[in-house]
Amino acid sequence: GAGVSQTPSNKVTEKGKYVELRCDPISGHTALYWYRQSLGQGPEFLIYFQGTGAADDSGLPNDRFFAVRPEGSVSTLKIQRTERGDSAVYLCASSLAAGGGGDGYTFGSGTRLTVV
Amino acid sequence: SQQGEEDPQALSIQEGENATMNCSYKTSINNLQWYRQNSGRGLVHLILIRSNEREKHSGRLRVTLDTSKKSSSLLITASRAADTASYFCATGENDYKLSFGAGTTVTVRA
Repeated sequence: GAGVSQTPSNKVTEKGKYVELRCDPISGHTALYWYRQSLGQGPEFLIYFQGTGAADDSGLPNDRFFAVRPEGSVSTLKIQRTERGDSAVYLCASSLAAGGGGDGYTFGSGTRLTVV
Repeated sequence: SQQGEEDPQALSIQEGENATMNCSYKTSINNLQWYRQNSGRGLVHLILIRSNEREKHSGRLRVTLDTSKKSSSLLITASRAADTASYFCATGENDYKLSFGAGTTVTVRA
């Protein structure tokens, strides 16, 4: 596609439920990143994929968070037993190679997750 | 934790004026990038400056980097209403991980 696509754009879920957030990167981009942005803050790094493997998942806040990218394209961020503190905008980005070179990253429009 | 800090937090200017915002960071970096965000959603990459560069231009944007002071500035010249957005600096400590500041909210008045 022309850009990074994230679905759903908005998700409201009850505390304790499981959610999946999907990211479709730009075709051919091997590097994929997930960030989380809380209100009034800048994005915070969660995880980085190079191809199918998670090269760095040091930003995942705890073991309720997990992400996969089984075929090296689409990625899914999974959150178990959601808590109200998980409410944020989850941003996905991709780049042709790690670091994005001179073009930086291309971000999707994000999924706004609200846990009630 | 967020490495970069933008200053000011908010800026309001008249259309046609210049807007300047600054970014300070704490540790050594590989590169520094500026992004724009409208309405709290997707970020748009504006410009990347590497640690061995001092100044870079892109259209109406001018970025400077002073690694000795661990600071960068973004200048938007001849601002337009469409420049109203939040601007974030992001420092790259390595090839793939960016640390963002909390951003500067710019409002351009018609």
